[in-house]
Amino acid sequence: AQSVTQLGSHVSVSEGALVLLRCNYSSSVPPYLFWYVQYPNQGLQLLLKYTSAATLVKGINGFEAEFKKSETSFHLTKPSAHMSDAAEYFCAVSFTGANSKLTFGKGITLSVRP
Amino acid sequence: GAGVSQSPSNKVTEKGKDVELRCDPISGHTALYWYRQSLGQGLEFLIYFQGNSAPDKSGLPSDRFSAERTGGSVSTLTIQRTQQEDSAVYLCASSRGGSSGANVLTFGAGSRLTVL
Repeated sequence: AQSVTQLGSHVSVSEGALVLLRCNYSSSVPPYLFWYVQYPNQGLQLLLKYTSAATLVKGINGFEAEFKKSETSFHLTKPSAHMSDAAEYFCAVSFTGANSKLTFGKGITLSVRP
Repeated sequence: GAGVSQSPSNKVTEKGKDVELRCDPISGHTALYWYRQSLGQGLEFLIYFQGNSAPDKSGLPSDRFSAERTGGSVSTLTIQRTQQEDSAVYLCASSRGGSSGANVLTFGAGSRLTVL
């Protein structure tokens, strides 16, 4: 069965520093991979998705993620953190034939220090 | 509508009471999903609808949980005889449907359930 693992529950960075949030997946078939973000007291919104068109995917708010099959990873990065990036980030996996059901990781809370 | 609408946004109930949570998906979206978000547990899949049928109910935690969808639109998640462990945020999402795993789910703001 497909799954995603997000190591750690909390990441803290300084404003302007690199953001790196890790996600590893497990899937027996080619996966579709997603990052969603949940700002405080808001619903989840899509940051970016990988659907096999290109391994480096750019999303909203300057985030990007790279699909690495050899490492079964889909880590999320942003070169320079902004205070407004503080939120909870979820990695998710799906594949064709699974009625688009997303399987989510447990999420990582990102804090940004001034 | 423009987005996925859920009601109520907050519900406090006593243990043993039944609750109903409502989801109004984006117009034209044929697929509808319910998830549960508990502290430290991430998002747990509950049930999926394609139209009015539910081909995947695998995530419903017990027979106290049920859901229906009528007219291919609004869905209701019902929890009978609520327990304290049912306290969570219940999220609804919709998508254009079909079998492509690339479909993007659009989420509502959620219904926060507290069972005393």
